Parts: sequence; structure tokens; C-alpha cells
Amino acid sequence: GQNIDQPTEMTATEGAIVQINCTYQTSGFNGLFWYQQHAGEAPTFLSYNVLDGLEEKGRFSSFLSRSKGYSYLLLKELQMKDSASYLCAVRGSGAGSYQLTFGKGTKLSVIP
Amino acid sequence: EPEVTQTPSHQVTQMGQEVILRCVPISNHLYFYWYRQILGQKVEFLVSFYNNEISEKSEIFDDQFSVERPDGSNFTLKIRSTKLEDSAMYFCASSETALSSEKLFFGSGTQLSVL
Repeated sequence: GQNIDQPTEMTATEGAIVQINCTYQTSGFNGLFWYQQHAGEAPTFLSYNVLDGLEEKGRFSSFLSRSKGYSYLLLKELQMKDSASYLCAVRGSGAGSYQLTFGKGTKLSVIP
Repeated sequence: EPEVTQTPSHQVTQMGQEVILRCVPISNHLYFYWYRQILGQKVEFLVSFYNNEISEKSEIFDDQFSVERPDGSNFTLKIRSTKLEDSAMYFCASSETALSSEKLFFGSGTQLSVL
């Protein structure tokens, strides 16, 4: 089975940097995704990591350590529009390889 | 950017009634999925579909649920006899391949309320 943990809520100031952590325990691993979900809307893709290390994409970066079962999403130069839930999701392997298993999401509030 | 579209955006039904949720995946995508999100809870996988067959399903996807691709563009989720606990946001998603790195494109969802 899969178990994915993220903090429930975080608050950060506009212009600052915030790091959202995700830990996972899985029976198989074929990569980790981060999605952004604004209230009442569909999740949208942010990043994918399958190898250890940091992937940078503009203001957003994502890090993975497979040995520690750990990932984080780093958001720089926060903007008000970054207020959303951030979902960590793991793709399994073998019989579970089609599905993504999501964490409960971290609701980020960006304040002025 | 191409989009996955879902209709209706909201559906209210009585317990025991059948509902059909509709989705139009992105046109060149071959893999289709349904996920659901009960209010305040995590997004949960229901089923994946490829080449007119279910490729994987979760424990949630019991005999009350079925999926179909009735034509070349639509992908539907049918709940045969709805229960109160089926109330959730249902997301359709599609992807071009089943590669592990392939991102899913989600539709904006159908909010199902079972009374």
C-alpha cells in the first residue's frame, strides 16, 4: 500500500520562500508528482521527480530523496495567486502503475 | 492548451438513482482515468481505461460503478444506484501515454450531491 503525509496547512508572506514537505511509504515507486489545486478547481501539474535531486522550473523547484522517502516543493517569490492546495502524489509500480496515490494536500495561504 | 472537459459541473440526485458523469478527454490522449475527492479529503483513484478496457481499478470501484467510451470522444462514469457516501467531486483525467513520467490532465470536475 501507499501512505503519503503532508502538512495540512501553511501560511507564508508575499515575496517570501516556502517549502512544502511530503513523506511517503510505498510498496512500489515510479515517481513523485506535485500538483496545484485552487479551491473548486482541477489539479494542475507542477513537477515530476523520479531520480534523487532537485528539479527547478521557474519559481518552483521540487526535490526528491528516494532513500528517505521524502520530497519537497519549494516556492520562491510568493505571489497571492499561489494561495492554493499543493498535492503530493506517488505513482506506483507493477500492479499499481497506472494510478497516482495522492496525499491529503497542503493548503497554502499567502498573506500580504 | 488543450483541456479535459466534464459535464455537468454540478449534479444533484436522489439516493438510489443512476447518474452518468461525462468527460471529453484531450483528443490525442489514449489513457483515461476517473478520480474522486470527498469534501476535505484526498483525491482518490477510481479507475484507469485504455483500449476500451479497464486497465486498473481501486477498491472503491465496485459493481455499482462502470465506465464506457461510447464513441470516439466521450468517456463516461456511471454509478448505478447512488449512495449518500458517493457525494464527492469526480475528476476525469487523461494522458497521452502510460509512461511513469507522464502527467495527467484533469478536468474541472463534476460535483455530485446525493440526497
